[in-house]
Amino acid sequence: AQSVTQLDSQVPVFEEAPVELRCNYSSSVSVYLFWYVQYPNQGLQLLLKYLSGSTLVESINGFEAEFNKSQTSFHLRKPSVHISDTAEYFCAVSGSNFGNEKLTFGTGTRLTIIP
Amino acid sequence: ETGVTQSPTHLIKTRGQQVTLRCSSQSGHNTVSWYQQALGQGPQFIFQYYREEENGRGNFPPRFSGLQFPNYSSELNVNALELDDSALYLCASSLDLGARLNGYTFGSGTRLTVV
Repeated sequence: AQSVTQLDSQVPVFEEAPVELRCNYSSSVSVYLFWYVQYPNQGLQLLLKYLSGSTLVESINGFEAEFNKSQTSFHLRKPSVHISDTAEYFCAVSGSNFGNEKLTFGTGTRLTIIP
Repeated sequence: ETGVTQSPTHLIKTRGQQVTLRCSSQSGHNTVSWYQQALGQGPQFIFQYYREEENGRGNFPPRFSGLQFPNYSSELNVNALELDDSALYLCASSLDLGARLNGYTFGSGTRLTVV
């Protein structure tokens, strides 16, 4: 079984400032890790994922996350945020074995960008 | 390539009633997963269907049931509705169970309100 902890329920950040959204996971098996974004009244959109290989993964809109196995973390970062980044962000984990790839989500972090 | 379509988008039901939610998976996907997202929470896994067979179930009572059709579309049925069933119900489709290939594609959800 897996679990995900997102320590910050809300993060307010000034526009063009950097941001880090924290995510820690627990699992007895090897995992895949994901960040999803949810805009108001919408479903979830995949932001980025770690499956294997390089521990630093990037999205097309400037976000990045680093898989740290020793600290069981997968924190999300962006060097300069924009108003359009206002959304709810969910960290998720799944097992990496075929048949055990169901997603387990954290409780989410609401990112609010202050103009 | 069409995405995941869920219907209806909104629904109001009375406690004790039954409800059916529908999901059309993305073209080429053979797996459908259902999630319940209560207000202010992360999505919780309900169950997953792979090639018309249930492949795993979360911690939900038997009054939550589902099925998958030969065209890989899916239904979620909830009997004897309770107030706590009020939530956003998300459907996600994928290829061959899960996360490794192109990951999960989520629909925009069905907002169920039980009064």
